[in-house]
Amino acid sequence: KAGVTQTPRYLIKTRGQQVTLSCSPISGHRSVSWYQQTPGQGLQFLFEYFSETQRNKGNFPGRFSGRQFSNSRSEMNVSTLELGDSALYLCASSLGHHKETQYFGPGTRLLVL
Amino acid sequence: AQSVSQHNHHVILSEAASLELGCNYSYGGTVNLFWYVQYPGQHLQLLLKYFSGDPLVKGIKGFEAEFIKSKFSFNLRKPSVQWSDTAEYFCAVNSDEKLTFGTGTRLTIIP
Repeated sequence: KAGVTQTPRYLIKTRGQQVTLSCSPISGHRSVSWYQQTPGQGLQFLFEYFSETQRNKGNFPGRFSGRQFSNSRSEMNVSTLELGDSALYLCASSLGHHKETQYFGPGTRLLVL
Repeated sequence: AQSVSQHNHHVILSEAASLELGCNYSYGGTVNLFWYVQYPGQHLQLLLKYFSGDPLVKGIKGFEAEFIKSKFSFNLRKPSVQWSDTAEYFCAVNSDEKLTFGTGTRLTIIP
């Protein structure tokens, strides 16, 4: 099976812009979670989607949003970018039941100038 | 809220040395426990996991971890490390319906 794929892999934006990141889960997986990875804060949970519904949310401002489509693909959007949003954004998929193993994609590295 | 502590931020070992990386979590209820590894330039990969049963779990590449419920710990071990084990290691706990990660331990193996 193909693994989790994320596009784009690298992105450079300027402050105030918005960005959309995409994630395709492993075939058959219905849950997609997003994480932000930075050197200072480590890996922090953003949100999780299951069957097109947000099932759980981390402690991030409303500028961070997401959605999931009927084919389980997910997108994450960050509006009004700030310098501190520079990070590696990771997507993980799982079959969908709570507490299952999550499989991670390669991430999208976002640089905000 | 769940918290996960990895006390060793950077560990440097020579090849063939034994490894133990600490992981402690705060939540006292039912948890699923994971160790992930991130090799340089690669994405997070699952090393091993504990859901239930035998508290000593074996993973890929000779790694193992022991779940000690009374100590809220899930330490990672390897009897003899190799240069290729150089990577960042993350402990993670799934308790309140989300995965909470420790801050990671960077492992450097000196040939």
